Amino acid sequence: QKEVEQNSGPLSVPEGAIASLNCTYSDRGSQSFFWYRQYSGKSPELIMSIYSNGDKEDGRFTAQLNKASQYVSLLIRDSQPSDSATYLCALTGYSSASKIIFGSGTRLSIRP
Amino acid sequence: DTAVSQTPKYLVTQMGNDKSIKCEQNLGHDTMYWYKQDSKKFLKIMFSYNNKELIINETVPNRFSPKSPDKAHLNLHINSLELGDSAVYFCASSLEVRESPLHFGNGTRLTVT
Repeated sequence: QKEVEQNSGPLSVPEGAIASLNCTYSDRGSQSFFWYRQYSGKSPELIMSIYSNGDKEDGRFTAQLNKASQYVSLLIRDSQPSDSATYLCALTGYSSASKIIFGSGTRLSIRP
Repeated sequence: DTAVSQTPKYLVTQMGNDKSIKCEQNLGHDTMYWYKQDSKKFLKIMFSYNNKELIINETVPNRFSPKSPDKAHLNLHINSLELGDSAVYFCASSLEVRESPLHFGNGTRLTVT
């Protein structure tokens, strides 16, 4: 089992709709969770971080964490064409705060 | 500008050559990293340094040798380059706390021919 799993996509969502991106992980002790956005040819940039169970909202973005189910998700409301990118789920393992592990990413395409 | 900067942006070289990538951060972070992103976009950690000390060394061939002269710099030297080394290499930095996210450099696209 991979440490961090994401559906590679592409996920196609109409403009204005809600995009839902999902991530599961294997290390029950994982404590910090991040969502990064990466445009083609660019470096990853942080979108959201979440550390405790529940929802965290920032503008059009909502991160959801369920540690019991080992599941973290990112919702993007009112999707815009500029949201088209690869979204990377990342987390720190229990054993090392300095080892941030990434999923393989989900490619999101917002169609006008 | 405060940032993580790495050079060069592009590196094209032949098999067997030795090359280096440099990275500097002026964010005052304690920890620096090298990640490799392959053609399928998978980001894999290679090394992590905390205050010039190596703390993570994933299963990376000995041909890869990181060097951290101070906590603001982390360079990557690669000996005897192979075709499979072609990838984008990202330098990143973070604070030394579990909740601290990574700040990435712009990446170095290495092409080995």
